[in-house]
Amino acid sequence: NAGVTQTPKFRILKIGQSMTLQCTQDMNHNYMYWYRQDPGMGLKLIYYSVGAGITDKGEVPNGYNVSRSTTEDFPLRLELAAPSQTSVYFCASLSAGQETQYFGPGTRLLVL
Amino acid sequence: DQQVKQNSPSLSVQEGRISILNCDYTNSMFDYFLWYKKYPAEGPTFLISISSIKDKNEDGRFTVFLNKSAKHLSLHIVPSQPGDSAVYFCAATLLNDYKLSFGAGTTVTVRA
Repeated sequence: NAGVTQTPKFRILKIGQSMTLQCTQDMNHNYMYWYRQDPGMGLKLIYYSVGAGITDKGEVPNGYNVSRSTTEDFPLRLELAAPSQTSVYFCASLSAGQETQYFGPGTRLLVL
Repeated sequence: DQQVKQNSPSLSVQEGRISILNCDYTNSMFDYFLWYKKYPAEGPTFLISISSIKDKNEDGRFTVFLNKSAKHLSLHIVPSQPGDSAVYFCAATLLNDYKLSFGAGTTVTVRA
């Protein structure tokens, strides 16, 4: 049981490039989340999903897109990367009826 | 507007002494509170939680206190150990909302 896995661990992007951050969970959790963490700040919710085929915006969705075609996977797409998207991105999952989110190890993204 | 605030960015404590971390919230509708612990290059991991129907919850060396009238909670770690050196995030949610609001975190350093 690997829990929540994220790839890549680290990536450098040039301004205007695009990429997809991968997130997979093997706990059969309904809910999945994407957060970003900037230095000295808490985690900010980007997007979340309550189940396959259903996604919704969080606090800071601009510049990102998500999809949820399966229960296990919840990729985050960055289009036209900007320096303001330099951050550490965390994926998390949760089972309905519980309140504890399980986090992946994070993806550190640097946009230059 | 940040609904969960941790006003102390850092805390240094001697091994064996008590660590007290504070958290304030502004949304009186929050009814469930969690503390997460984060080591460098890892994702946050759940530490302890408390429901608004309680004013204290204890788990080994960790105790969380909730003061609803003051919209304040605190985490006590007794005794502090070197392995407790980490960033601690306070989070709050509405039960069955399944979305967390995080504070900015407090970095705890336990000195030998």
